[in-house]
Amino acid sequence: NAGVMQNPRHLVRRRGQEARLRCSPMKGHSHVYWYRQLPEEGLKFMVYLQKENIIDESGMPKERFSAEFPKEGPSILRIQQVVRGDSAAYFCASFESYNEQFFGPGTRLTVL
Amino acid sequence: RKEVEQDPGPFNVPEGATVAFNCTYSNSASQSFFWYRQDCRKEPKLLMSVYSSGNEDGRFTAQLNRASQYISLLIRDSKLSDSATYLCVVNMDYGQNFVFGPGTRLSVLP
Repeated sequence: NAGVMQNPRHLVRRRGQEARLRCSPMKGHSHVYWYRQLPEEGLKFMVYLQKENIIDESGMPKERFSAEFPKEGPSILRIQQVVRGDSAAYFCASFESYNEQFFGPGTRLTVL
Repeated sequence: RKEVEQDPGPFNVPEGATVAFNCTYSNSASQSFFWYRQDCRKEPKLLMSVYSSGNEDGRFTAQLNRASQYISLLIRDSKLSDSATYLCVVNMDYGQNFVFGPGTRLSVLP
């Protein structure tokens, strides 16, 4: 049973470009969370999605950031017009009822 | 008051020591509890779930005190490989509301 998959593992973008991060949850899981972790800091919740629905996006910056989890395919976290402050590790985690979250290996975004 | 608080750390202990981490949560309706471990530049991984009756897994013991809204993790006979950040996680309603504590960093020294 494959775990949570994220790609790319490392992403380098120049300021102003777009970053697209992908997350495939564990088989059978329909809930996905995205977290951001700045260097030397804790995990910060960004958004919680179920298939085709955004349930809670209270942790997501109002501008430039968006997330989706389509009926088919992976969840996508999109960051438009990236800035240096967006450099961080982005983790996704999947979950199904009454169980713990399982994390993917993360995408490390570096903005030059 | 933050929803989940942990000992600020860092904890620097010698090999073989016993170390305990504490975690408090604010929502009395919280339903499930976990300890995760995160190594530097890696993803968090589940260490153990925390049950009402307390539970033990080898050198690790987790306890839950619902009345005091308090969770603990005890590590006995620490190993160098135990060096990591330990995250307390509370699930508010068996549903989507997972809240992570800020983590406590442990360094086990030779």
